[in-house]
Amino acid sequence: DTAVSQTPKYLVTQMGNDKSIKCEQNLGHDTMYWYKQDSKKFLKIMFSYNNKELIINETVPNRFSPKSPDKAHLNLHINSLELGDSAVYFCASSPRVASYNEQFFGPGTRLTVL
Amino acid sequence: GIQVEQSPPDLILQEGANSTLRCNFSDSVNNLQWFHQNPWGQLINLFYIPSGTKQNGRLSATTVATERYSLLYISSSQTTDSGVYFCSQPCTPNAGKSTFGDGTTLTVKP
Repeated sequence: DTAVSQTPKYLVTQMGNDKSIKCEQNLGHDTMYWYKQDSKKFLKIMFSYNNKELIINETVPNRFSPKSPDKAHLNLHINSLELGDSAVYFCASSPRVASYNEQFFGPGTRLTVL
Repeated sequence: GIQVEQSPPDLILQEGANSTLRCNFSDSVNNLQWFHQNPWGQLINLFYIPSGTKQNGRLSATTVATERYSLLYISSSQTTDSGVYFCSQPCTPNAGKSTFGDGTTLTVKP
């Protein structure tokens, strides 16, 4: 009964490859997010979707493309992977009901680009 | 956008000690959250606390929205409290994004 799940947990790949990370939430939330955590532990938002619609896109390279097939899923596809893409990627969701917007995070996907 | 400043950046405690972590915001506070990232990397929700005070066991949090800060208190610390503590705040009340502080790294020694 995991609330926010991500697959895979670890991803090791070569530069130039294309990879995807999947995220699913069973909380019934309308809003989902992708965050990137770098080696210094800084957490930065990348994207936010509300009901399958992109609402936030934070100066992320075009090689990153989020896709939301339905409001319970938000996948992240990365083209032409670069060394600097190595990081932990977190998916999150929140209800955004009125002024209540508590976020719940998935376990993270550690991406290593060689 | 909203700036979030956490202090101290690092904290080392002996088991059993108490501590206070602080989060300052450059703009009005709402939907404020405290998280603990454990040594395995999991981000665990501690408190959702737009205002007032909440307690959960040895942890409590207070947000003073009018003064744009929040405090996290850890009492009788244990080694399992080690990790990074983050506070976060949406940039606007209904914004689909949050700004995270840089975190406080807590090490509790046995």
